[in-house]
Amino acid sequence: KNQVEQSPQSLIILEGKNCTLQCNYTVSPFSNLRWYKQDTGRGPVSLTIMTFSENTKSNGRYTATLDADTKQSSLHITASQLSDSASYICVVSEGSASKIIFGSGTRLSIRP
Amino acid sequence: DTGVSQDPRHKITKRGQNVTFRCDPISEHNRLYWYRQTLGQGPEFLTYFQNEAQLEKSRLLSDRFSAERPKGSFSTLEIQRTEQGDSAMYLCASSLGGLAGGQETQYFGPGTRLLVL
Repeated sequence: KNQVEQSPQSLIILEGKNCTLQCNYTVSPFSNLRWYKQDTGRGPVSLTIMTFSENTKSNGRYTATLDADTKQSSLHITASQLSDSASYICVVSEGSASKIIFGSGTRLSIRP
Repeated sequence: DTGVSQDPRHKITKRGQNVTFRCDPISEHNRLYWYRQTLGQGPEFLTYFQNEAQLEKSRLLSDRFSAERPKGSFSTLEIQRTEQGDSAMYLCASSLGGLAGGQETQYFGPGTRLLVL
């Protein structure tokens, strides 16, 4: 069964600190992997997208990595800010890329 | 604002009533998706349209649920005889399908939060 597992489920860090969120997937055939940020009560917003041949992608303070061999991805947030408090969802596209599978998300809280 | 919009943003209804949600996608996007999201979980796929054709429906979409996209632009999701288990956030997303290299990006609306009492 195609699945996307994220860890940790939730994370609290102090403002200014770095953190890394993990995503493991078993989706096959793999098309691409995205990280989304979802603020409370809002729709998800795409942060990064990586295809099979890419192993790192940055978007400002967000850096995503992908290891297609081990089927793992991470999202690293540098110098966290209060506005980074949100759920971060790993999403893997299967096959034609129109079918996507969401992880449950990591709820990140940044404390001042 | 040229993003995806959804209406209403919130809906409270009594069990057994029918509800209808509307989604207006980004204008040039040919694909439109509906998802359901419960608290603490990622969105779950319900159905998607390419232009006006409904190409896929999840097994989550019981016969009480119906979605339409009559002119290939806006879409509606109707839930008949609502049940308490239908309480969730209903998200709509749109994308420009057919791009090479799997670069299709889905842009999400703000969602409609449904509470069934």
